[in-house]
Amino acid sequence: GENVEQHPSTLSVQEGDSAVIKCTYSDSASNYFPWYKQELGKRPQLIIDIRSNVGEKKDQRIAVTLNKTAKHFSLHITETQPEDSAVYFCAARAEAAGNKLTFGGGTRVLVKP
Amino acid sequence: NAGVTQTPKFQVLKTGQSMTLQCAQDMNHEYMSWYRQDPGMGLRLIHYSVGAGITDQGEVPNGYNVSRSTTEDFPLRLLSAAPSQTSVYFCASSPWGAGARYEQYFGPGTRLTVT
Repeated sequence: GENVEQHPSTLSVQEGDSAVIKCTYSDSASNYFPWYKQELGKRPQLIIDIRSNVGEKKDQRIAVTLNKTAKHFSLHITETQPEDSAVYFCAARAEAAGNKLTFGGGTRVLVKP
Repeated sequence: NAGVTQTPKFQVLKTGQSMTLQCAQDMNHEYMSWYRQDPGMGLRLIHYSVGAGITDQGEVPNGYNVSRSTTEDFPLRLLSAAPSQTSVYFCASSPWGAGARYEQYFGPGTRLTVT
């Protein structure tokens, strides 16, 4: 089955700096890659997603890039703010696996004011 | 539109007890799933369903049963609780089928402690 690895497990950045989280996946058939943000004690919420026919997607301060050849994708947060502090999860889905999402282990991001 | 709801929010069980975690959604989503989240870890899929009457196992199904008699409800049953099942349980739903947007909507979670 699919295996998703996520790095780093923790990330501390100064407010205003950029944060980058990287994920690799194992199943070359995976075609959908969402990113979720989970604040302490809350449910995961989708912040951005990308499909395999697109190399990059942006939404204000966040962007995701996908390299299908290398089987990795990354989340970029620019101009970080304290409210960006949370745990971020990447995930991958393969068409042949129905809508089953396989999640990475998560990255705890701390934005220091 | 309540989205995905889960009950209870908190539960403490003794080893060997059984219980059912409830999940309901009002978005007419065909796909529903259960995940467990252990401290400092990601979400692991327990069971999922692509429609009423259809269920399948995920990554960590042992010790859990599910059924899907309606589109709206997807209960998760713990057969004989064990301390290893102490976790936060999330239910999620999403559209399903050709052309569907596969965004999964999560419920608020159930925090389960087994002593």
